[in-house]
Amino acid sequence: NFMLTQPHSVSESPGKTVTISCTRSSGSIASNYVQWYQQRPGSAPTTVIYEDNQRPSGVPDRFSGSIDSSSNSASLTISGLKTEDEADYYCQSYDSSNPVVFGGGTKLTVL
Amino acid sequence: EVQLVQSGAEVKKPGESLKISCKGSGYSFTSYWIGWVRQMPGKGLEWMGIIYPGDSDTRYSPSFQGQVTISADKSISTAYLQWSSLKASDTAMYYCARLDSSSLEFDPWGQGTLVTVSS
Repeated sequence: NFMLTQPHSVSESPGKTVTISCTRSSGSIASNYVQWYQQRPGSAPTTVIYEDNQRPSGVPDRFSGSIDSSSNSASLTISGLKTEDEADYYCQSYDSSNPVVFGGGTKLTVL
Repeated sequence: EVQLVQSGAEVKKPGESLKISCKGSGYSFTSYWIGWVRQMPGKGLEWMGIIYPGDSDTRYSPSFQGQVTISADKSISTAYLQWSSLKASDTAMYYCARLDSSSLEFDPWGQGTLVTVSS
């Protein structure tokens, strides 16, 4: 079994750029797609990035995803931060033995 | 529109049984896996298990194997999550979500069912 490790929290000012990392403990991060979900308080999660770097329709292009094999991690970058981006963010991936693995989640504060 | 609608909030006592539901619409219910995800108060997302309604193939997270039962009735496009004997530690929000077969992305999600177990 592998784990996905995220920072517990990050904070940044409106208009700035923030990056949230998701590090895979074993196996290659590039071998299986990574998804990113946004969860606002009191709501179900929604996808902001799927298949490593694809944005669903309706998600602003301020959101982007990437993979770095050298650090075996995925990243979610949000540019031009808005107060409405304040939420919890979760990465998710899988492998042949584990159909679903979630990261622990990162609380983004926009202050 | 693809949609998952979950049953309403439940308040139960320890030791009681419970079955919550998740009804799919707007797509071929038998062609996609459905997953269940637990979120305890103030905590992160935990994958519990998935079911393929087409043939009822079911996979459980090791953390939840033996603790819950996942099932589906394809005739009414509904998946279920059930407990035979609830504990206070089962108090949580439970989400169902459709799993895309190629990307393994959960989309869409149900609105969630809050289960409260208290004496």
